[in-house]
This record gives sequence, structure tokens and C-alpha cells, in this order.
Amino acid sequence: AQKITQTQPGMFVQEKEAVTLDCTYDTSDQSYGLFWYKQPSSGEMIFLIYQGSYDEQNATEGRYSLNFQKARKSANLVISASQLGDSAMYFCAMREDLYNQGGKLIFGQGTELSVKP
Amino acid sequence: NAGVTQTPKFRVLKTGQSMTLLCAQDMNHEYMYWYRQDPGMGLRLIHYSVGEGTTAKGEVPDGYNVSRLKKQNFLLGLESAAPSQTSVYFCASSSWDSNQPQHFGDGTRLSIL
Repeated sequence: AQKITQTQPGMFVQEKEAVTLDCTYDTSDQSYGLFWYKQPSSGEMIFLIYQGSYDEQNATEGRYSLNFQKARKSANLVISASQLGDSAMYFCAMREDLYNQGGKLIFGQGTELSVKP
Repeated sequence: NAGVTQTPKFRVLKTGQSMTLLCAQDMNHEYMYWYRQDPGMGLRLIHYSVGEGTTAKGEVPDGYNVSRLKKQNFLLGLESAAPSQTSVYFCASSSWDSNQPQHFGDGTRLSIL
């Protein structure tokens, strides 16, 4: 069964420093996608970054980058130069094979990030 | 850009009452999803739809029904609400393109007394 594991319930980081949020996954599919979402205290789900299983380069989006290690089945989110507005819950999610499974997402339990001034 | 719109945003029900949550998307997406989020847990899939007139069960479907009569709308029904269904409900939609993310509504906070 597919599974996403986020082992850090909570993290603290100093403003302007970089932080890595861990995510490991388990799947037997060859074709899958990995996503990170941010959920601030207001509750909405904000898409941050995507990595496809066949992508050779690590994905980057502004201050966000995804450290994708396929052999280790890990997809860690790196936030550079943390800002106070980065304080939120962060979820890692995996998409099963789209055409056979309807593109469903499996979510990890989340990591709550707190940025200290 | 409206994106994904959920109504209502908040609701309090008594045990045994019924209600319908409405999700509407204006992105012409084929796929739509209903998730629930409970404290300390990630989102769990209730039901989903890969096209108009089709629905399928997700991870936690018991106690819920869904319908997708129009491509842009996806309804989630609770026939007889139970306190265990107190949760925050999210609707999402996505295109058939596997590289594209799911777009989420702002959520519906539902309390069952």
C-alpha cells in the first residue's frame, strides 16, 4: 500500500535560515508524482512544488526546492531564507498513477514549521 | 479567478440530521475530490470523480455519498450525521495532466453535536 511519512511533527527555524522538512514515501508504482502543500493558520491548502518520478532534476520554485532521492524514496522540502510568513503546516503528498487511479493524493501527517524572528 | 468554491464555510448539525456540501470549480477540470482533515492528521480521501456522472470510493467513504451531475460541481452528502464526522472538509479538482497539482477550496468546517 502506498504511504507517506513525515517524521517531524514540529520544527523551529530562525528567520533567514534554511530549513529541510523530511518526507519519505512507499510505492510500487513506477510512475508517480510528489507534491508539497502549505497550510497556514487560515486553513487553505496552497500548492508549493511538484516532482515527477521520472524527473532527473530536482524541482525548484523560488525559495522552495525539492531534494528528490529516488533510491531512498525521499522527497524533502528545502525552504531557503525562511520568512515569518513561512510559519504553517506543511504536507507532503503522493499522486498514484494518474490514468489508473484517478490522480488521487495520499497525504502525510504534516510538519508544523515555526519561524522565529 | 474563483478556482474551487465550497459552500457553506461553516455548519453545525445535530446528530442524525442530513446536509449537502457543494463544491464548484471553474477550471474545466475532469477530476474532483472530497477530503476530510482531522486534528493531527493529513487529509484523507472520502470520494472522488474522474468525470461527469462517475464517482468512486476513497479511503474513508462510510457515511457519505456523492454525486457529479455536472462537470463543474461535486456534491458531498451526509445522510445521517454522526459526531465522528465532525471535521474540516476540503474539495479539490485537477486536470488529467499528472504534472499539475490539485487545486483546493478553502474548506468547510462541520461540527456535529
